[in-house]
Amino acid sequence: NAGVMQNPRHLVRRRGQEARLRCSPMKGHSHVYWYRQLPEEGLKFMVYLQKENIIDESGMPKERFSAEFPKEGPSILRIQQVVRGDSAAYFCASSGSIDNEQFFGPGTRLTVL
Amino acid sequence: DQQVKQNSPSLSVQEGRISILNCDYTNSMFDYFLWYKKYPAEGPTFLISISSIKDKNEDGRFTVFLNKSAKHLSLHIVPSQPGDSAVYFCAASAKGGSEKLVFGKGTKLTVNP
Repeated sequence: NAGVMQNPRHLVRRRGQEARLRCSPMKGHSHVYWYRQLPEEGLKFMVYLQKENIIDESGMPKERFSAEFPKEGPSILRIQQVVRGDSAAYFCASSGSIDNEQFFGPGTRLTVL
Repeated sequence: DQQVKQNSPSLSVQEGRISILNCDYTNSMFDYFLWYKKYPAEGPTFLISISSIKDKNEDGRFTVFLNKSAKHLSLHIVPSQPGDSAVYFCAASAKGGSEKLVFGKGTKLTVNP
């Protein structure tokens, strides 16, 4: 019963380092979404990907952030030169097709020192 | 600009009574609405959804009502149980369920034994 997997669950980085967050969607799911949750806030959409394609990146900051979902392997959210304001919980969700609900992983909690 | 609003940050209810969580939205393009439940340090768990062509959807103890003219939806939980204590997020999307979700800030429900 493998749900959406995310790793690492916790990640600590110093300012200026790179953070790589990984997400493996549920078996059979080809749609992946990344969301960010700041303290006391709701989840904010960042990017929507299908295999090898970015469909909607309207929620991604213009600089330092990138995402990919290669043909093989997990989806990766990459944050370069992290700053303290990047500290948040990052959630990945997947769905099987149009009109299907999104199922969330447990999240990666990023702390930038 | 908050398109999905949950105006009650918290709600406290006695076990066995009804819990009513409210959500308002401003974007008339939203046509699919979902409720998620979230425990601390976990990802959101899908509870129930409703399409804009319906005004009610029921699943066990959970019922969601949609009032399109008022741009308002509510989640009813009856009877409430202590295990229902969690943060509940309302979310909306503009194209079925497989598009980016816009979340409210959440309502923390506490069900007292």
